[in-house]
Amino acid sequence: GESVGLHLPTLSVQEGDNSIINCAYSNSASDYFIWYKQESGKGPQFIIDIRSNMDKRQGQRVTVLLNKTVKHLSLQIAATQPGDSAVYFCAETALSSTGKLIFGQGTTLQVKP
Amino acid sequence: GAGVSQSPRYKVAKRGQDVALRCDPISGHVSLFWYQQALGQGPEFLTYFQNEAQLDKSGLPSDRFFAERPEGSVSTLKIQRTQQEDSAVYLCASSLGSSYNEQFFGPGTRLTVL
Repeated sequence: GESVGLHLPTLSVQEGDNSIINCAYSNSASDYFIWYKQESGKGPQFIIDIRSNMDKRQGQRVTVLLNKTVKHLSLQIAATQPGDSAVYFCAETALSSTGKLIFGQGTTLQVKP
Repeated sequence: GAGVSQSPRYKVAKRGQDVALRCDPISGHVSLFWYQQALGQGPEFLTYFQNEAQLDKSGLPSDRFFAERPEGSVSTLKIQRTQQEDSAVYLCASSLGSSYNEQFFGPGTRLTVL
């Protein structure tokens, strides 16, 4: 069906290492993708987005890669910090829709000091 | 500036009770979304408003769920005759308008139905 899935439910990394969180999407009509960070007891917080006409976008310490051929999305976090510990969701939407987001199940990122 | 706020933050209801969850979007945001997030899952879309018009309610799980936004700002999600499977975090998000605009999420209301 139309859903976004994540390959790894839990990712544990050492502080200072780089983290890579992966996501597969199935809706070919999706043309806008977003990564969200959710801390316990809080709502999802926007991290970075990418449109389907791009394959890479960089932010501060974060990079999102989009591979439309295999319908794959990844989030790279450089020099992971303890404050990065949270659940990360990828989400997709289509310009033709109302903007409603389809989320995956989430990956928990644990940063070990 | 003020973000999206939701109240109450926590709600415990006995099965069969009606509940009302409130969302105060960011001032000036045209679009408002409700999502339901079960424990350990990603949020799932419930309904969408553009100003006061409810343009998409395809995600509402049953006719016990009802949402409104009568003046195009504050929105209320009402659940009638609550059941245990309604236990979840209910998230509200608002955005300026188009599909590409960032959605800002509130902290959510955690509903527990006993």
